[in-house]
Amino acid sequence: GENVEQHPSTLSVQEGDSAVIKCTYSDSASNYFPWYKQELGKRPQLIIDIRSNVGEKKDQRIAVTLNKTAKHFSLHITETQPEDSAVYFCAAPYNTDKLIFGTGTRLQVFP
Amino acid sequence: DGGITQSPKYLFRKEGQNVTLSCEQNLNHDAMYWYRQDPGQGLRLIYYSQIVNDFQKGDIAEGYSVSREKKESFPLTVTSAQKNPTAFYLCASSLGLASHNEQFFGPGTRLTVL
Repeated sequence: GENVEQHPSTLSVQEGDSAVIKCTYSDSASNYFPWYKQELGKRPQLIIDIRSNVGEKKDQRIAVTLNKTAKHFSLHITETQPEDSAVYFCAAPYNTDKLIFGTGTRLQVFP
Repeated sequence: DGGITQSPKYLFRKEGQNVTLSCEQNLNHDAMYWYRQDPGQGLRLIYYSQIVNDFQKGDIAEGYSVSREKKESFPLTVTSAQKNPTAFYLCASSLGLASHNEQFFGPGTRLTVL
């Protein structure tokens, strides 16, 4: 069946360091890979997404890479700041009409 | 925050009672979704709807029911058949298919069974 694995489940970094979160998916037909950020007590919000026709996408301090052959994609946050502290979810589509979410990564950035 | 609302924010229910969670969107989105969020388990899909008067079961539909009588509304009923209903429930909507479109989430409803 469909599955999205996400690692690590928790990640602690010092302010200014980089953070990397990795996800693997099982549906080879998937071609859209969003990342959501959920701050404590708030709703998830899309921060970046990538489609299968590109291998990397950047938006300021955030980047996502995609390896379709290996079926994995990663979120990279550089120069982390305390406001980056949140839970991050990756997702991949299954059967075109639904998203399967990873189990989340709790990122803590210490000043 | 995207024009999608949920009510109430907090809900308490006694065992054996059905309860309905509201979800409304003014984004003119065709697709709507209900997720359940438990600690350490991410977002699990309960039901989804791509068009009015049509909906499909997600991965954990047992003990839940939905309706989609209007484009802007997708209420979720948690029935007494749901064995462990205490959780955070999130509604979302998207312009089209989940495989291509951003999902916008509501603020969520925290349900507690007493």
